[in-house]
Order: sequence, then C-alpha cells, then structure tokens
Amino acid sequence: SQTIHQWPATLVQPVGSPLSLECTVEGTSNPNLYWYRQAAGRGLQLLFYSVGIGQISSEVPQNLSASRPQDRQFILSSKKLLLSDSGFYLCAWREGQKYSPLHFGNGTRLTVT
Amino acid sequence: AQKITQTQPGMFVQEKEAVTLDCTYDTSDPSYGLFWYKQPSSGEMIFLIYQGSYDQQNATEGRYSLNFQKARKSANLVISASQLGDSAMYFCAFVPSSASKIIFGSGTRLSIRP
Repeated sequence: SQTIHQWPATLVQPVGSPLSLECTVEGTSNPNLYWYRQAAGRGLQLLFYSVGIGQISSEVPQNLSASRPQDRQFILSSKKLLLSDSGFYLCAWREGQKYSPLHFGNGTRLTVT
Repeated sequence: AQKITQTQPGMFVQEKEAVTLDCTYDTSDPSYGLFWYKQPSSGEMIFLIYQGSYDQQNATEGRYSLNFQKARKSANLVISASQLGDSAMYFCAFVPSSASKIIFGSGTRLSIRP
C-alpha cells in the first residue's frame, strides 16, 4: 500500500533562516506531488505541484521554492524565511489519473519567530 | 478561472441529526471531479468522498453522501446521524479535467453538540 512521509512535524525557525521540508512517497511510481500551506483556521493554498522529476509548477510564493530530485521525493525550501511563512504545510500525492484523490502527509507546523 | 466556494464558515449540529455542508463551484469545463475532505483538530486531511461530473448517481460512502446538482453547480456533503467524532473542518475540493492541480474551498467548521 502507498504511504507518504513528511517531516519534521513541527519547526520553529527565526526570520531570515533557511528552510527545508521533505516529503517522500512509497508504494507508487510517478505520482503527482503537491505542497499546500494552511494559515490557522483557513483553507489550503496550493504552493507547488509536480507531475514528474524536475517538473515544478509554482502557484504563489516569492521566497519559497520546490524541487523534485527523485520520483517520489518532494522538497520545499526557502533561503530566508519571513514571518508570513508561518503556517501548516501539507505535502500530498495523487496518481496521475485525472480524478484520483489527494492523499496527504501529516503536515509540518512551521512557526517563524 | 475555476472557483470553489463554501459559504458556511461554521455550523453547530445536535448529535444524531443529519447535516448538510454547502459547496458551489464555478467552471466552464464539461468534465471535472469534486472531493470532500475532513480535517480534525490533529491536522490530518482525510479523504471522504468523490463525485465525477458525468456520474449519473450521487456518490455515497457510509454515512457520507454527496448531493450533486450539476445544473446548479453545487456538491453538498450530507452526513447522516452525526457523531461527536464528526466535529472537524470540512473542505470541498475541485479538479478540472484540464489541470493537475486541485483547488480547495475555504472550509466549514462543523461542531457536534452532545
């Protein structure tokens, strides 16, 4: 069966520090991969998605970036965190078929101080 | 552009009652998919139910059913016989046929009263 691992679960970082969140998927090949961010009590904002190795589509962020160095690995990065980067970050995967559902990791709660 | 709307920021329901969570969407695509997710206070996102735009029947999964009205562009989630464990945020999500990205509504916080 397929599983998704996302770490760390919580992170407290100072403003201006770098960020690296990692997500890996097991039990499937060539998944579509996603990074979402959720502000407290709010909906999910799509940050990046990838349909294959090295293919990244960016939806919003200016100081965040994503990379997919391997088929089942998706990394969210920042060189310098801002206070506004605080939030709950969720990695997700889905099969490449049109209407397959997203399956989410447990999330990373990031606090930028 | 596609858009998905959940107009109920919060709802309170008595235990064992049925509850309907509203979701409307805006698209010109003839083919698309709709999903509902549950997010308990722990933060995990749990997939509940899926409806395809060409499905003839409303989707059902246990106590969850989807009231799909294509002409009105609505896909409301119905939870029958609500339980205390149903207290959570609920998100409606949309995927058009032409894109790989899934768009989420702003969510509805459901609170079940004992």
